[in-house]
Amino acid sequence: DIVMAQSPDSLAVSLGEGATINCKSSRSLLYSSNNKNYLAWYQQKPGQPPKLLIYWASAREFGVPDRFSGSGSGTDFALTISSLQAEDVAVYYCQQYYSTPLTFGGGTKVEIK
Amino acid sequence: EVQLLESGGGLVQPGGSLRLSCAASGFTFSSYVMSWVRQAPGKGLEWVSGISGSGGSTYYAGSVKGRFTISRDNSKNTLYLQMNSLRVEDTAVYYCAKDPQEGAVTPKAGDYWGQGTLVTVSS
Repeated sequence: DIVMAQSPDSLAVSLGEGATINCKSSRSLLYSSNNKNYLAWYQQKPGQPPKLLIYWASAREFGVPDRFSGSGSGTDFALTISSLQAEDVAVYYCQQYYSTPLTFGGGTKVEIK
Repeated sequence: EVQLLESGGGLVQPGGSLRLSCAASGFTFSSYVMSWVRQAPGKGLEWVSGISGSGGSTYYAGSVKGRFTISRDNSKNTLYLQMNSLRVEDTAVYYCAKDPQEGAVTPKAGDYWGQGTLVTVSS
């Protein structure tokens, strides 16, 4: 199984400041035949199901604010929130879909400082 | 509008069985891979199982293989998860999720999720 390691476990950021969450996979998620990274990012607020933010490592889902961006390739990825808003308080998860079983990172809790 | 509504959760004793359902609407159900993802209380997300649009291919996490069975009825737009030999560690909210990619065969991600149904395994 592919292991997904997220860091940090939590971070506190001032409103308007940037935040970066890292995700490292135990094997490359880059599929050579299509040059795509099989990685997604989700946001989960308390009492709600996860919401898909980013697909193919860097493709924002329709309706996701452009302050959210995904980057990286191979085994190292990042989710960046360029200017934190109050509504961004949540837990964020990375997930690989390169192979089954699909696996998630442990989550990063983002709070307001 | 895509909607996913899970049902069937509840309290069950260790070793017992339960069948979850997920009623889907707002999209061509048979064209999409569907998955079950669970979340133990206060913990992270764990993918449990996935099934191709036709139902011909199924996928499982190691922790549930041999105990859980995923299936679907495309005539009823409904996804199922039959859970047998339940363990205390299976206690979680179970979500069904729709794959983003029409026509895909293997599970990828979830672009729409239900609100979840709670399964509690306890004596």
